[in-house]
Amino acid sequence: NAGVMQNPRHLVRRRGQEARLRCSPMKGHSHVYWYRQLPEEGLKFMVYLQKENIIDESGMPKERFSAEFPKEGPSILRIQQVVRGDSAAYFCASSPPRTSGSLGQETQYFGPGTRLLVL
Amino acid sequence: QKEVEQNSGPLSVPEGAIASLNCTYSDRGSQSFFWYRQYSGKSPELIMSIYSNGDKEDGRFTAQLNKASQYVSLLIRDSQPSDSATYLCAVNMANQGGKLIFGQGTELSVKP
Repeated sequence: NAGVMQNPRHLVRRRGQEARLRCSPMKGHSHVYWYRQLPEEGLKFMVYLQKENIIDESGMPKERFSAEFPKEGPSILRIQQVVRGDSAAYFCASSPPRTSGSLGQETQYFGPGTRLLVL
Repeated sequence: QKEVEQNSGPLSVPEGAIASLNCTYSDRGSQSFFWYRQYSGKSPELIMSIYSNGDKEDGRFTAQLNKASQYVSLLIRDSQPSDSATYLCAVNMANQGGKLIFGQGTELSVKP
């Protein structure tokens, strides 16, 4: 049973370019979360998606960042016009579907991450 | 006050000792609590989850939850050098949907 997959594992971009990060959740999981880890900082929530729906984007920067989880294919985190401050590790996590009364107990399993370096 | 707080460490213990990692959280209505381990340059790996007050044991690991004190801890018995990593406390807070709020992490070093 494959775990959460992310690609690319490493991505180098020059300032002003676009970065596309992809995440395929674990088999049977329908919830995807994106987190960012800046150097020497903790993990920060960015966005929570289900198929074709953004559930919570309260952690997303207001500009240049967008995310989607289409009906077919992986979830994509897109960063337009990257700046050096976007250099970080971006982790995707997935969890199984909610069951009634679960109260958010679904465990999130993390992918290997994409390390973005902006030159 | 940070939503989830951990001592940043580093916490250094000798091999074979008990390592105690602590975490406090601000939202009294928080429902679910998780401990992840993260090796340098790697992704977080789930160690334990706990939802009810009391202790939960899994091998050498014991998670303890005290909702009244808004405190969750992780004990590692018979610590091994391979346990050296950063341990992240994560909380799913009330009315926050599925997102996890992470502490800064505690760096643990187990000396042979």
